[in-house]
Amino acid sequence: DAGVIQSPRHEVTEMGQEVTLRCKPISGHNSLFWYRQTMMRGLELLIYFNNNVPIDDSGMPEDRFSAKMPNASFSTLKIQPSEPRDSAVYFCASKIRDINEKLFFGSGTQLSVL
Amino acid sequence: RKEVEQDPGPFNVPEGATVAFNCTYSNSASQSFFWYRQDCRKEPKLLMSVYSSGNEDGRFTAQLNRASQYISLLIRDSKLSDSATYLCVVKVGGNTGKLIFGQGTTLQVKP
Repeated sequence: DAGVIQSPRHEVTEMGQEVTLRCKPISGHNSLFWYRQTMMRGLELLIYFNNNVPIDDSGMPEDRFSAKMPNASFSTLKIQPSEPRDSAVYFCASKIRDINEKLFFGSGTQLSVL
Repeated sequence: RKEVEQDPGPFNVPEGATVAFNCTYSNSASQSFFWYRQDCRKEPKLLMSVYSSGNEDGRFTAQLNRASQYISLLIRDSKLSDSATYLCVVKVGGNTGKLIFGQGTTLQVKP
């Protein structure tokens, strides 16, 4: 089992650029979550999907953020345009809905917006 | 008010000490509760679920008080390897519910 795979591991970009973060959940998992972690705010839920359908995106900071899950094995989180305050670690996590609540996290993407 | 609140610490304790962390949650309809552990620069991992009657896993004991809306984690005989951030997690919203994380409590166990 390869676990949740995120790419890239690190991203450094300039303000105003588009950033795309990618996630491959564990095969067979049907819930996928995007979190953002900063020292000030901790781990914040941005959006989550059940069976590829977005269920709650109330945590998405603003219209600059968008997320998609075109199929069960792939999701993206896009920031356009990026701003320095978006700098954080972005985690993707997956689980089997309703079976248990054990979330499996990817290693995260460290995003720095200069 | 945050949905899940924890004392960020850090808690600095000697090896062998017993240490307890508390967490409070604001949504009385919260259904499920967990403790996750996060090592420095790593992803969070499930430590244990928290059951209404309380539960134990080796040196770790979790308790839930629904009336007061708080959860606790007790670590006995702490080891150097217990040094980490401990995240309180609450599920809200029914079957399609979401998992809300507290900001975490940092534990440093010193020799």
